[in-house]
Amino acid sequence: QSVLTQPPSASGTPGQRVTISCSGSSSNIGSNTVNWYQQLPGTAPKLLIYSNNQRPSGVPDRFSGSKSGTSASLAISGLQSEDEADYYCAAWDDSLCYVFGTGTKVTVL
Amino acid sequence: QVQLQESGPGLVKPSQTLSLTCTVSGGSISSGGYYWSWIRQHPGKGLEWIGYIYYSGSTYYNPSLKSRVTISVDTSKNQFSLKLSSVTAADTAVYYCARVLPYDTTPLFDYWGQGTLVTVSS
Repeated sequence: QSVLTQPPSASGTPGQRVTISCSGSSSNIGSNTVNWYQQLPGTAPKLLIYSNNQRPSGVPDRFSGSKSGTSASLAISGLQSEDEADYYCAAWDDSLCYVFGTGTKVTVL
Repeated sequence: QVQLQESGPGLVKPSQTLSLTCTVSGGSISSGGYYWSWIRQHPGKGLEWIGYIYYSGSTYYNPSLKSRVTISVDTSKNQFSLKLSSVTAADTAVYYCARVLPYDTTPLFDYWGQGTLVTVSS
């Protein structure tokens, strides 16, 4: 039922920059802000980015978010082994539904 | 520090009603300012929002599940609950409860429970 499309996987070596895209439509990303969640293996998701580009307290500044039109992106700079996780974008859809992205698995090579 | 803990049966028979409770500690549901939500994750799959509730009882449900979902709140116990009726194997998932902070145009889930696996099987 995901209406936000993400690449299934992304990878990089330690220290590299990795970018994850999130494609939506005018009813979700196009008219509402985007949040990002990180889900480490076997754990509950954790809020990583909110309101397109804001980091909660405690989230390293290696993580950054952006939005343009009906798409959003999450960038991880200086990739570290502990960043290996699943990442989900999310937005409110004007059809009165909260929607998540399909998820992207980040692998540190 | 707010903590949420899901509880309920881990096995439900097809056609029956799935019932889960989320107990909140470190903060009062009735203090307002937050919604309280249920989210599920099918095995090996992505996240699906089920719905959320305000302490006053106002609810918002995923349109795709609305006909089968009821979320309720018990402020005296600082708990909120999920009932999903007429379950099938497709409802097998890890169910999470979470606190929702209304912010900008997309609310954010800032605290999550650890999740509980519910399997639908006879």
